[in-house]
Amino acid sequence: NAGVMQNPRHLVRRRGQEARLRCSPMKGHSHVYWYRQLPEEGLKFMVYLQKENIIDESGMPKERFSAEFPKEGPSILRIQQVVRGDSAAYFCASNRPNNEQFFGPGTRLTVL
Amino acid sequence: GESVGLHLPTLSVQEGDNSIINCAYSNSASDYFIWYKQESGKGPQFIIDIRSNMDKRQGQRVTVLLNKTVKHLSLQIAATQPGDSAVYFCAEKVNAGGTSYGKLTFGQGTILTVHP
Repeated sequence: NAGVMQNPRHLVRRRGQEARLRCSPMKGHSHVYWYRQLPEEGLKFMVYLQKENIIDESGMPKERFSAEFPKEGPSILRIQQVVRGDSAAYFCASNRPNNEQFFGPGTRLTVL
Repeated sequence: GESVGLHLPTLSVQEGDNSIINCAYSNSASDYFIWYKQESGKGPQFIIDIRSNMDKRQGQRVTVLLNKTVKHLSLQIAATQPGDSAVYFCAEKVNAGGTSYGKLTFGQGTILTVHP
């Protein structure tokens, strides 16, 4: 049973480009969460999605960031016009209702 | 805003010793707490959890203690091994209306180093 999968594992972008991060939840999991981790800090919640619905995006920056979890395919975290401050590790987690969250290996985004 | 924090950013122990990692939380509405282990370059790995109606829970070599009076959480690792070296995070969750809502608030993390 494969765990949460994220790709790419490493992503390098220049300022102003777009970054697309993908997350495939564990089989049978219908809830997806995105977190951001800056160096030597804990994870910060960004957004919580269920299939085709955003449940809570209170941790998402108001501009340039968006997330989706379509009926088919992985969840996507999209960052438009990246800036150096977007450099971080982005983790996706998934779970079944009322169960623990399982985390993916993360995507490390570097903005040059 | 309310947050979860850790008392000790680093902890060094000898192999075979017991380790205790502490965490303070400030949100009195939190009713579910989890400890995660994160190794370099990897995502957080679930270790053990505890609900607010409990004050102690034991797993394999690990014990979590919850003191709601002083809003304190600790993780005890027995017979610490070099493979336990990692960053340990506590996280809390508020159960919003009995739903599966699962936003986790993480603490800063404690670096555990185990010397052979």
